[in-house]
Amino acid sequence: EPEVTQTPSHQVTQMGQEVILRCVPISNHLYFYWYRQILGQKVEFLVSFYNNEISEKSEIFDDQFSVERPDGSNFTLKIRSTKLEDSAMYFCASSESGRTQYFGPGTRLTVL
Amino acid sequence: AQKVTQAQTEISVVEKEDVTLDCVYETRDTTYYLFWYKQPPSGELVFLIRRNSFDEQNEISGRYSWNFQKSTSSFNFTITASQVVDSAVYFCALSEVLNAGNNRKLIWGLGTSLAVNP
Repeated sequence: EPEVTQTPSHQVTQMGQEVILRCVPISNHLYFYWYRQILGQKVEFLVSFYNNEISEKSEIFDDQFSVERPDGSNFTLKIRSTKLEDSAMYFCASSESGRTQYFGPGTRLTVL
Repeated sequence: AQKVTQAQTEISVVEKEDVTLDCVYETRDTTYYLFWYKQPPSGELVFLIRRNSFDEQNEISGRYSWNFQKSTSSFNFTITASQVVDSAVYFCALSEVLNAGNNRKLIWGLGTSLAVNP
């Protein structure tokens, strides 16, 4: 069964460094999303991506964040200058029709 | 504003007990979707079910069943004869339309942590 994959599973970085989180969505899906979950808290929407552009972003998704679909299969989330409060689990999701979103296993980001 | 409330933070049961996880939602949309996701200790989010707002039929899948009642804005999830492998955090979510078309984001509840003890 097709699934969303994410790499790395765990990323440790120093405050101020740039990180890139990678996702491979399910191949025939057209809608892509990033969410994050700070430990013990609810899952929060970051951004949605459709037709090669951002369709919506949350207040969390400020200028430090960017997304790309560089080659038609990968979908990346870049954080330019990480802060301590960016430590969280980051989930990528994809959807064929925009209705049901299927999630990857997540990348745990730890900012020291 | 769109909102999902899961009032039960933690539930602990003994194996083979039935357990119901509550979910109450608020939305201004006339057409919407409701979801349940499971997050086992390994951390991934596993899709369990999607329900359309215009379909109030209850659904059963093996030991899992869902009760959707628009009149009370509730979408409750029951596990029958619980097993240790059911131990996880369960999230209820509501989809909000982002813009024209099908693109939506999920609004999440805080989750209910279910512990099934042997």
